[in-house]
Amino acid sequence: RKEVEQDPGPFNVPEGATVAFNCTYSNSASQSFFWYRQDCRKEPKLLMSVYSSGNEDGRFTAQLNRASQYISLLIRDSKLSDSATYLCVVNGGGSYIPTFGRGTSLIVHP
Amino acid sequence: DADVTQTPRNRITKTGKRIMLECSQTKGHDRMYWYRQDPGLGLRLIYYSFDVKDINKGEISDGYSVSRQAQAKFSLSLESAIPNQTALYFCATSRSSGEKLFFGSGTQLSVL
Repeated sequence: RKEVEQDPGPFNVPEGATVAFNCTYSNSASQSFFWYRQDCRKEPKLLMSVYSSGNEDGRFTAQLNRASQYISLLIRDSKLSDSATYLCVVNGGGSYIPTFGRGTSLIVHP
Repeated sequence: DADVTQTPRNRITKTGKRIMLECSQTKGHDRMYWYRQDPGLGLRLIYYSFDVKDINKGEISDGYSVSRQAQAKFSLSLESAIPNQTALYFCATSRSSGEKLFFGSGTQLSVL
């Protein structure tokens, strides 16, 4: 089983839709979690850190479920500009090496 | 100026050639990483370094070597490039364990 798994998609949604992605991780000792956004052939950029209590930044909400070992990202009122690949990153479990999921592709259409 | 700078941005080379990709940072971070990205495979860790005297292999280190010349510099070498090393390479830094990563702009390497 891969350490960090994501549904590659693509998720194809209309503008204004709400879309959610999950990311599962295998190491129960993982300590920190992040969502990054990557545009085609560009460097990943931090979207949100994911805290145990959950956190929200505008239209974006991230949550952590330690019991089931997954994190989620919810995007409300999708914009065309949200089209990108969303990468889940998990740290910790002894080595504290950041491990990436393969990414989930989101396409927002008019 | 960018906090994490990679050079070159693009490189085309031939099989068997030695290639060096360079990464420098002005963030003062101890931790530096090299990742490669292939379509559909996400970012995979090649090597990482937690300080100048510390070098560790990542998930896919075969065919690569690194040098941490200073806190600010971390170079990746392909001793004898092969076509399946064609990929997008990213350097990243972090301040400490479990903290967010800062990326360079990437190097697109093509091995013919």
